[in-house]
Amino acid sequence: GENVEQHPSTLSVQEGDSAVIKCTYSDSASNYFPWYKQELGKRPQLIIDIRSNVGEKKDQRIAVTLNKTAKHFSLHITETQPEDSAVYFCASTGTGRRALTFGSGTRLQVQP
Amino acid sequence: DTAVSQTPKYLVTQMGNDKSIKCEQNLGHDTMYWYKQDSKKFLKIMFSYNNKELIINETVPNRFSPKSPDKAHLNLHINSLELGDSAVYFCASSQGIGGHTGELFFGEGSRLTVL
Repeated sequence: GENVEQHPSTLSVQEGDSAVIKCTYSDSASNYFPWYKQELGKRPQLIIDIRSNVGEKKDQRIAVTLNKTAKHFSLHITETQPEDSAVYFCASTGTGRRALTFGSGTRLQVQP
Repeated sequence: DTAVSQTPKYLVTQMGNDKSIKCEQNLGHDTMYWYKQDSKKFLKIMFSYNNKELIINETVPNRFSPKSPDKAHLNLHINSLELGDSAVYFCASSQGIGGHTGELFFGEGSRLTVL
């Protein structure tokens, strides 16, 4: 089955700095890569996703890049703010797969 | 209107007891899931139903029994609770199977504590 590895497990940045979280996946048939944000005590919520026919996608301060050859994808957050502090999960799935496989999560702390 | 709602939000119980968690979605989605999030925050799929049919059963002890009376509801019953069952259980739903056809919507989670 699919294996998704996520790094780092914790990340602390100063407000205004950029943050990068990286994931690798094992199944070359995977073609959909969402990122979820989970604030403390809350549910995970989708913040951005990318499909395998696209190399990069941006939405305001967040962007995701995908390298299908290397089987890795990354989340980039620019101009971080304290409200970006949360646990971020990458995930992957593909046609014919029955559920998302999540990475182990990255706890991002933005210091004011 | 809450899209995916689950009850109860908190459960504290003794080892050996039986408990149930209920989940309902009003999004008209075909597929519902149960995920378990342990103390290290790992999110692991447990079960998935598509139109009331079980499509995923991921190496979960048979003390856990899901039931889907219709495609808008997915309940989880746990028998003979053990300490290791303590976790947050998230219900989720998506249109289509696997989540790759659209966003996975999570409920607020049910925190189960087994003493």
